Amino acid sequence: QSVLTQPPSTSGTPGQRVTISCSGSSSNIGSNYVYWYQQLPGTAPKLLLYNNYQRPSGVPDRFSGSKSGTSASLAISGLRSEDEADYYCAAWDDRLSGHVVFGGGTKLTVL
Amino acid sequence: QVQLQESGPGLVKPSETLSLTCGVSGYSISSGYFWGWIRQPPERGLEWIGHMYHSGSTYYNPSLKSRVTISVDTSKNQFSLKLTSVTAADSAVYYCARAYTSGPLCYFDPWGQGTLVTISS
Repeated sequence: QSVLTQPPSTSGTPGQRVTISCSGSSSNIGSNYVYWYQQLPGTAPKLLLYNNYQRPSGVPDRFSGSKSGTSASLAISGLRSEDEADYYCAAWDDRLSGHVVFGGGTKLTVL
Repeated sequence: QVQLQESGPGLVKPSETLSLTCGVSGYSISSGYFWGWIRQPPERGLEWIGHMYHSGSTYYNPSLKSRVTISVDTSKNQFSLKLTSVTAADSAVYYCARAYTSGPLCYFDPWGQGTLVTISS
């Protein structure tokens, strides 16, 4: 069972806006930055958002992030077929001398 | 452009030691940053293993700490993972990645393509 909680799956149609939630606690999301990774089928994960909402170079502005308290969200607007992937949230956790925690991942299906 | 590439045996026997290496190109490890490992069991999510600074500071997953060693070889511009006493539960795709770590900040970018390691006799 993952420390960060994500819905196992979600879906949307092209052009739609979807959101993926990530719930944690005061020791991780509540006091540290949140990161989002995108894993396209058969490939390695790729950094999608860093420091809660910032986009690395090359990531479209259709992807946005937010954080409030001990929860975070990833939003994808103008959904496209190529967005079909697994999405993972992650954060540093201050307990046990510090460690990285991941969410269990959310599979996004574009209908 | 920084690139990472994992290498090592794809099959390891139970109770033995899993050893993987990550070669780095496009950046000198001794220049900075942390360097880490993440794994993904088949059809499952990501699990952080640990990361290490080139000069020796390390962070390990508490659940794996007693079995894991990450080391850096700046002369070869590569870093390595050793996981002892492996069981079938350690079967996974193992990824290496550059880690950005400072206070509340910790993320991985870029990642290697990953290498599948199966634990079986």
